[in-house]
Order: sequence, then structure tokens, then C-alpha cells
Amino acid sequence: GEDVEQSLFLSVREGDSSVINCTYTDSSSTYLYWYKQEPGAGLQLLTYIFSNMDMKQDQRLTVLLNKKDKHLSLRIADTQTGDSAIYFCAERPGTYKYIFGTGTRLKVLA
Amino acid sequence: DGGITQSPKYLFRKEGQNVTLSCEQNLNHDAMYWYRQDPGQGLRLIYYSQIVNDFQKGDIAEGYSVSREKKESFPLTVTSAQKNPTAFYLCASSGAGVTLYEQYFGPGTRLTVT
Repeated sequence: GEDVEQSLFLSVREGDSSVINCTYTDSSSTYLYWYKQEPGAGLQLLTYIFSNMDMKQDQRLTVLLNKKDKHLSLRIADTQTGDSAIYFCAERPGTYKYIFGTGTRLKVLA
Repeated sequence: DGGITQSPKYLFRKEGQNVTLSCEQNLNHDAMYWYRQDPGQGLRLIYYSQIVNDFQKGDIAEGYSVSREKKESFPLTVTSAQKNPTAFYLCASSGAGVTLYEQYFGPGTRLTVT
């Protein structure tokens, strides 16, 4: 079935890199996304990658895609306390269909 | 400023009452969506609309209704038939052309039914 899996928690020290991992199931997904959600707020689109790419870099964010293993990761360089949030991975198996993971709660320790 | 607005931010209702959540966008996006978020869970799709006067059920449409009379607006009604309506509701939209693959979210409405 359709499922996007993420680990529940990640804790890092300020200034370190964070790596959040995700596995998805639908190989037909053409786009894969990372969203950030702060407490009580909506989801903020951080970045996304087209399925024919294996890497995308956007300032402190690096997305890696392993299509063979259906594995997506988000690396945040020089993690700051403001990066503390829940991060959602999502796949897009259809034009109007998005499947979201359960989110990874990132805690940045000062 | 372009974006998606949802109102109100917090909503309280008694069991048995219908309630309508507002969603407006000025991004000129064709498609709009309603999701429900429960603690510790991902987002679940309630309804989506590709164009004005058309909408489709998502995975958990029972107990909900929508309308799409204007491109900018996609209100969601939570009816008394929804068994467990207390949740965080998120509206989203996606565009056309270069923004077709980008889905943007509003700030959400937290509904509490007692």
C-alpha cells in the first residue's frame, strides 16, 4: 500500500548537521517534498526534488534521493535552534495526490 | 502579500452542530485541498478541488462537505455526522505551470468539539 515512513524524533546540537530520513513506497511518484511545521502552524514547503534527480541543494538544505531504495533524506547544515520543528516528507504519486509521512520532530540543543 | 488564509484560528463547537471553516487564497491557484491532522499522525486528505464547481472526495470525506463557487475560496463544513471532528484542519492549494508541483498550506484551524 501507500506509505511514507519517517523516524519520530531527532536531537542534534546547535551547529551540527541534521539528517532526516524518509522511505516511500510509490515508485511512480514524480516529485518528493520536505515540509517544516512549527507548533500550531501550517506546513511550510522547504524544498522538493524531481524523481530523475539524485541531489538538490538549496542554501543550508541538501536533499538526497535514492530512487532504487525509495529513500529520501534532508540534511540541514549548521542547524540552529530556529530549525526545531516537525519535518514532513511527502510523495506525489498523482497530480492531486500527496502522501505525507507522520513527521520527524527535530530538537536542536543549544 | 500572496498566500492562503484560514479563519478562525481556533473554533469551539458543541456536539451536534455543523461548523464551516473558511479558506481563501490569492495565489491564483486552480487546485485547493483540505487535510486533517491528528496528533502524531501525517496529513489525511478530506476533499480536493481541481477547478471551480468541481471537487472530489479524499480518503476521509465522510461527515464533511465542501463547495467551490469561486476560485479563491474553498470552505469546509464539518457536519454533525463526523464522529470525531476535533482536529487541526489545514487548507492547501497548488497552481499551474511552474507552480503546479508546489503545494502551499494555510496556517490551519484548530477545531474543538465538546
